[in-house]
Amino acid sequence: AQSVAQPEDQVNVAEGNPLTVKCTYSVSGNPYLFWYVQYPNRGLQFLLKYITGDNLVKGSYGFEAEFNKSQTSFHLKKPSALVSDSALYFCAVRDDRGSTLGRLYFGRGTQLTVWP
Amino acid sequence: EPEVTQTPSHQVTQMGQEVILRCVPISNHLYFYWYRQILGQKVEFLVSFYNNEISEKSEIFDDQFSVERPDGSNFTLKIRSTKLEDSAMYFCASGQGGMGNEQFFGPGTRLTVL
Repeated sequence: AQSVAQPEDQVNVAEGNPLTVKCTYSVSGNPYLFWYVQYPNRGLQFLLKYITGDNLVKGSYGFEAEFNKSQTSFHLKKPSALVSDSALYFCAVRDDRGSTLGRLYFGRGTQLTVWP
Repeated sequence: EPEVTQTPSHQVTQMGQEVILRCVPISNHLYFYWYRQILGQKVEFLVSFYNNEISEKSEIFDDQFSVERPDGSNFTLKIRSTKLEDSAMYFCASGQGGMGNEQFFGPGTRLTVL
């Protein structure tokens, strides 16, 4: 069965410091992995995705994520956090053995707070 | 930049009443989805829709739920007889289909059933 785990409900980091938001997944086949961000009163905004190829993918707003197949992880990272990065972050996975319409399986979300 | 829009942003209803949540997907997208998020829980898939029919639905999407694309722009989710446990944020999404393509989400409709 497909699932996503985000082990931390909250991550707190000082502005200028690196941040990591963790995600692990479980799928039957090969994973397609996504990160979304949700600001208050807004929908989920796409940040980045891993499909195939280079394990380090870069996305919007300076975020990047590293795919690790052996650890079944897809952690979100940013070298230098900004206060404006404070938001709710969701990891999602799609299984290549599933429907081509590709329902997404989401984690619970991690609240990132960056303090000045 | 094109966006998915949803109306209303908030809906309060009495248990047993019917509600219709509306969405306008991105215009050149052909694949449409509804998800929901109960407060404090995961975002959960409800249904996917393509070519004017349901492609996949989850165990949550029972006979009380239905979806429709009544015209070329709107995509609706109807709950026939709401229950307290239907209270959640409902997200509409659209996409171009295919495993590698992301879905684009609307801002959500917060449904409160009293």
